[in-house]
Amino acid sequence: GQQLNQSPQSMFIQEGEDVSMNCTSSSIFNTWLWYKQDPGEGPVLLIALYKAGELTSNGRLTAQFGITRKDSFLNISASIPSDVGIYFCAGQETSGSRLTFGEGTQLTVNP
Amino acid sequence: DSGVTQTPKHLITATGQRVTLRCSPRSGDLSVYWYQQSLDQGLQFLIQYYNGEERAKGNILERFSAQQFPDLHSELNLSSLELGDSALYFCASSVEIQETQYFGPGTRLLVL
Repeated sequence: GQQLNQSPQSMFIQEGEDVSMNCTSSSIFNTWLWYKQDPGEGPVLLIALYKAGELTSNGRLTAQFGITRKDSFLNISASIPSDVGIYFCAGQETSGSRLTFGEGTQLTVNP
Repeated sequence: DSGVTQTPKHLITATGQRVTLRCSPRSGDLSVYWYQQSLDQGLQFLIQYYNGEERAKGNILERFSAQQFPDLHSELNLSSLELGDSALYFCASSVEIQETQYFGPGTRLLVL
């Protein structure tokens, strides 16, 4: 099935460092979302973006909806050990409400 | 806690069998979505229901079916199970179509 191109696939960082990950698509999306998934749990919504060019923050997290509507990035500042997990981007199509997910970014934070 | 509940949390069964996964959406949510998460395919949309009616279909096999009941809970039925059906199955719900989707904790299915 169709998937978004999410990078990087994995990241190993030191506590306190900033992190950046992004998603690109060949399709236009009406909405971009970022989820975090912990082992054995369901994805938890972090940030939702509804307008091209929109920049939204949620605590140490900042995400942007690309102006072409085909990309988005997520930044995490001053990482902490509890940031460990898999981060997924998801796009919601204009014509429907199904979510198309990226492959995920596995984040490891070393104390 | 998203407010979406799924049962059972784990399910182990044999090839050829049939199982039913259950989802209760958040209070007030009319739309329910099913997703499958496997190692090789990632998170894939299966099917969506809105207020009891099927709304959209994704990569759902013909051996799989779903329904949403008048009380808005949903069930995903998987039949003639194959080894490759082993995966995490997530339910998500939203207030309306196009609104933010909130995911349940998932059902981990293992087909032996």
